[in-house]
Amino acid sequence: AQSVAQPEDQVNVAEGNPLTVKCTYSVSGNPYLFWYVQYPNRGLQFLLKYITGDNLVKGSYGFEAEFNKSQTSFHLKKPSALVSDSALYFCAVRDMGGSGTYKYIFGTGTRLKVLA
Amino acid sequence: EAQVTQNPRYLITVTGKKLTVTCSQNMNHEYMSWYRQDPGLGLRQIYYSMNVEVTDKGDVPEGYKVSRKEKRNFPLILESPSPNQTSLYFCASGSGANVLTFGAGSRLTVL
Repeated sequence: AQSVAQPEDQVNVAEGNPLTVKCTYSVSGNPYLFWYVQYPNRGLQFLLKYITGDNLVKGSYGFEAEFNKSQTSFHLKKPSALVSDSALYFCAVRDMGGSGTYKYIFGTGTRLKVLA
Repeated sequence: EAQVTQNPRYLITVTGKKLTVTCSQNMNHEYMSWYRQDPGLGLRQIYYSMNVEVTDKGDVPEGYKVSRKEKRNFPLILESPSPNQTSLYFCASGSGANVLTFGAGSRLTVL
């Protein structure tokens, strides 16, 4: 069955340090992978996606993610964290159903806390 | 402004009293979907729709109904709400670009 795992409930990092939020996935075919961010009392906002091509994808607010097929991972990274990056981050995979329909599967979310 | 609008944003109701949460998008997206967000469980898909009159179950459809009579609207119906449906609900829409646009959320409490 298709699934997404975010193994860390919370990640703490000092401002200015690099950050990584981990995501692994399991799908039957080629994955469409996404990262979304949720700020308090807001809906989810798109950060970046991997469909095909270069394994390193760049997104909004200086975030990037690396697709690793052999490790079935899609970790979110940023070279230098800001306090304003503190939020809840969701990894998601699009499941291309055999009938051509599709649905998205989300991870449980990782709360990022950037300490000043 | 391109957006997904949900109403109501907050609702407290009682067990068994039918309610509808509306969702409307102004981006002409074919795909629309409903999720519920619960602590420790992340987002779970309730129903989704590929286009008008085309809907399908997600992972947690029990106790919910949807309809897609117009492209822009995708209401979520709770015919007989129960306390285990207390949750934060999100509507989202998307196009062939695969990116989802989410509404601001509807916090529902069922007493």
